[in-house]
Amino acid sequence: SQTIHQWPATLVQPVGSPLSLECTVEGTSNPNLYWYRQAAGRGLQLLFYSVGIGQISSEVPQNLSASRPQDRQFILSSKKLLLSDSGFYLCAWSRRRGGEAFFGQGTRLTVV
Amino acid sequence: AQSVSQHNHHVILSEAASLELGCNYSYGGTVNLFWYVQYPGQHLQLLLKYFSGDPLVKGIKGFEAEFIKSKFSFNLRKPSVQWSDTAEYFCAVNAEGNKLVFGAGTILRVKS
Repeated sequence: SQTIHQWPATLVQPVGSPLSLECTVEGTSNPNLYWYRQAAGRGLQLLFYSVGIGQISSEVPQNLSASRPQDRQFILSSKKLLLSDSGFYLCAWSRRRGGEAFFGQGTRLTVV
Repeated sequence: AQSVSQHNHHVILSEAASLELGCNYSYGGTVNLFWYVQYPGQHLQLLLKYFSGDPLVKGIKGFEAEFIKSKFSFNLRKPSVQWSDTAEYFCAVNAEGNKLVFGAGTILRVKS
C-alpha cells in the first residue's frame, strides 16, 4: 500500500531563517506531487506541483520554492522566511492523469 | 486557468435536514471532480469522485454528488444530515490531468 510521510509536524522558525520541509511517498512510482497551504476561509491553495524529477510548476509568486530531487521526494524551501509564510502546509500525491490526491499529515509552520 | 467556486462558506443545519453544497468550476475541457471532507482535528479524506460515466456519484456516509456538465457544477448532497457530519467540505477539480485545484471550502455545522 502507498504511504506519504511529511515532516516535521510543527515548526517554529525566526524571520529570515531558511526552511526545508520534506515529503516522501512509498509504495508507488512516478506520482504527481503537490504542495498546498491551507488557511481558514481560503481552502487549499496550490503552491507547487510536479509531474517528474526536476519538473516543478509554481502556481503563485511567493517566497517559497520546491524541488524534486528523487521520484518520490518533494521538498518545500525558503531562503529567508517572512512572517506571512506562517501557515499549515500539506504535501499530497496522486497517480498520473487526474487521480485523487492523498495527503500527508501536514506541517504547522509559525514564523516569529 | 482552472478555478473552483464554493458558494457558501458557512452552512448551519439541524439534524435530519437535507444538504446541498454548491461547487462550480471554470474549465471547458474534460475534468475529474472530487469532494473531500475534513472533520475537526482530522486530515482530509475523500468523500467521492467523478471521472466519467454516470454523472450521479455515490460516496461514503450517504453523500452523493451530481456532475452537470452544462452548468460546470458538481454539487454535493445528502438527504438527511447528522451531527457527525459537522466538518469542512472541499470541492476539487483536476482539469489538466496533473493539477488538482481546490475550492475555498464550506464549513458545515449540524445542530443536534
